[in-house]
Amino acid sequence: GAVVSQHPSRVICKSGTSVKIECRSLDFQATTMFWYRQFPKQSLMLMATSNEGSKATYEQGVEKDKFLINHASLTLSTLTVTSAHPEDSSFYICSAVQGAGGTEAFFGQGTRLTVV
Amino acid sequence: AQRVTQPEKLLSVFKGAPVELKCNYSYSGSPELFWYVQYSRQRLQLLLRHISRESIKGFTADLNKGETSFHLKKPFAQEEDSAMYYCALLTGNQFYFGTGTSLTVIP
Repeated sequence: GAVVSQHPSRVICKSGTSVKIECRSLDFQATTMFWYRQFPKQSLMLMATSNEGSKATYEQGVEKDKFLINHASLTLSTLTVTSAHPEDSSFYICSAVQGAGGTEAFFGQGTRLTVV
Repeated sequence: AQRVTQPEKLLSVFKGAPVELKCNYSYSGSPELFWYVQYSRQRLQLLLRHISRESIKGFTADLNKGETSFHLKKPFAQEEDSAMYYCALLTGNQFYFGTGTSLTVIP
């Protein structure tokens, strides 16, 4: 099946700094990518939907100025957590849908962010 | 608004027993529903989707529009079925996930 690679898998940063997480579709073109956040023992929460070449669509309650999403190409989307705080510590997961109108999502392995 | 509801966070069954993981959805349009599974230390992966009406690893799920449900079933649970299961709804081009059910199959 299609492969989505997420990098880094684990990152620790200081409070106030910014962290960039990359999500790449390795063997297919992804018109649409999704970013999720998973709190411990809770569900995946959709943060935003990113479409190649256009602005991301953020879910209600997600600060778009804090979680910057860029989907500059059909194989790469990035999530930048700006001015990170300890409460941003979480597990972030991206997924990508193959082609336009695709209905199966392929997931990255996730990024564990710890803000100290 | 919660679009996908999985009422059970934890579910334990004995090996060989039937298992049903419940999923209810809320969507006024024509739904596309999926079950995703996450085995320990692995990434999420698609288990099955309602449009294909297939059976994967012995699991089936039937879309019941009247009850707005998409419950996942397997007649005889196996130890390797222990995992986290997520029900997902595709609306337009956005996926929404339920809170997940952690299934433990007791040997």
